[in-house]
Amino acid sequence: AQKVTQAQTEISVVEKEDVTLDCVYETRDTTYYLFWYKQPPSGELVFLIRRNSFDEQNEISGRYSWNFQKSTSSFNFTITASQVVDSSVYFCALIEARDTGNQFYFGTGTSLTVIP
Amino acid sequence: EAGVAQSPRYKIIEKRQSVAFWCNPISGHATLYWYQQILGQGPKLLIQFQNNGVVDDSQLPKDRFSAERLKGVDSTLKIQPAKLEDSAVYLCASSPDPDTQYFGPGTRLTVL
Repeated sequence: AQKVTQAQTEISVVEKEDVTLDCVYETRDTTYYLFWYKQPPSGELVFLIRRNSFDEQNEISGRYSWNFQKSTSSFNFTITASQVVDSSVYFCALIEARDTGNQFYFGTGTSLTVIP
Repeated sequence: EAGVAQSPRYKIIEKRQSVAFWCNPISGHATLYWYQQILGQGPKLLIQFQNNGVVDDSQLPKDRFSAERLKGVDSTLKIQPAKLEDSAVYLCASSPDPDTQYFGPGTRLTVL
């Protein structure tokens, strides 16, 4: 079973629209970390946010906001007033903390295209 | 601060040939990771080093893949012999703590 599910494979929006990228995770651990990364065509994964399992506060950073809900095991990412530069592939990731070494799981990614 | 460096950026080889990738992590980062990212998929962890010791290599196909991190700094990932299904981007990441990773630009491998 997928530990991290990003059901939206591709999304297209018109510039200035808001868009939400969904992420659902599965874990039995009480301590874990959730991440969002952006991967532009250059290939490098760019860190956007990290959230630990004990902090359910939503976060806003400029046009980006994240909604973490443990009750539904979701960690959704919203871009407000999208711009063409937001076009990229976005990955959600889960890290399960282990004494023997953390376990890393990435979703399959959502490709976002912002149309001018 | 310099980021994670990887070389080469692109490599094309024929099946059954050997190939090696190099990674230089961010200075001071004790943990280093190698990921394989097949087109259209998320990265999959191959191996994790803590300094020069292996923490996790459960997903590494050890019959053909090997990795080392001598002196706890640079690392190399080798494939010998390569198969068609090894075509992917190989990403290196490093981290100063267990919960954050900084990724390099990756090496795109094409096996013909």
